[in-house]
Amino acid sequence: EAGVVQSPRYKIIEKKQPVAFWCNPISGHNTLYWYLQNLGQGPELLIRYENEEAVDDSQLPKDRFSAERLKGVDSTLKIQPAELGDSAVYLCASSLDHRLAPYNEQFFGPGTRLTVL
Amino acid sequence: AQSVSQHNHHVILSEAASLELGCNYSYGGTVNLFWYVQYPGQHLQLLLKYFSGDPLVKGIKGFEAEFIKSKFSFNLRKPSVQWSDTAEYFCAVTRNSGNTPLVFGKGTRLSVIA
Repeated sequence: EAGVVQSPRYKIIEKKQPVAFWCNPISGHNTLYWYLQNLGQGPELLIRYENEEAVDDSQLPKDRFSAERLKGVDSTLKIQPAELGDSAVYLCASSLDHRLAPYNEQFFGPGTRLTVL
Repeated sequence: AQSVSQHNHHVILSEAASLELGCNYSYGGTVNLFWYVQYPGQHLQLLLKYFSGDPLVKGIKGFEAEFIKSKFSFNLRKPSVQWSDTAEYFCAVTRNSGNTPLVFGKGTRLSVIA
């Protein structure tokens, strides 16, 4: 079974440029998460989707960040414009429908390492 | 808000030494507890998890963790570490309801030297 796929793995851009990250969750996983991991820190949630609905985006900086999951499968996270402080690893994770069990394990992708110059 | 504290930023051990990594969380309700591991150049992987029942949880690769509710702790242990255990270890907690997001600690970097 394929895991969570993310692309690109690495991205280097200049500040004020736009950037987008793509995530393909594990087949059948309807819950999708985007996490931000700064150097020396643990991951922090940016947004959580149940199918195509963003059910928790309270930590997403909406002035420059946006996300979409149009068909309830793949998701894209965008930053426009990027700032120096956005340099970090962006992680995508997915899990099964929470209605199937009290809690379902989250499976993480390899992440996209963003460097803003 | 929930928070997770990992007291050790970087631990250096010799092979065969015993390991204990501390983790404390702040949340008064029922929680699910996890330890994730990130080997160099790899993605986060689940090491073990606690939902309910026996507070001593056994995970992969000889790791175990003990949930002590009165101390809000979930420390990770391994009796004898190997060089291949060199990695970053993250403790995480989530509320016991639905697919709530994981709240991670800052991580502990473990370096095992031969």
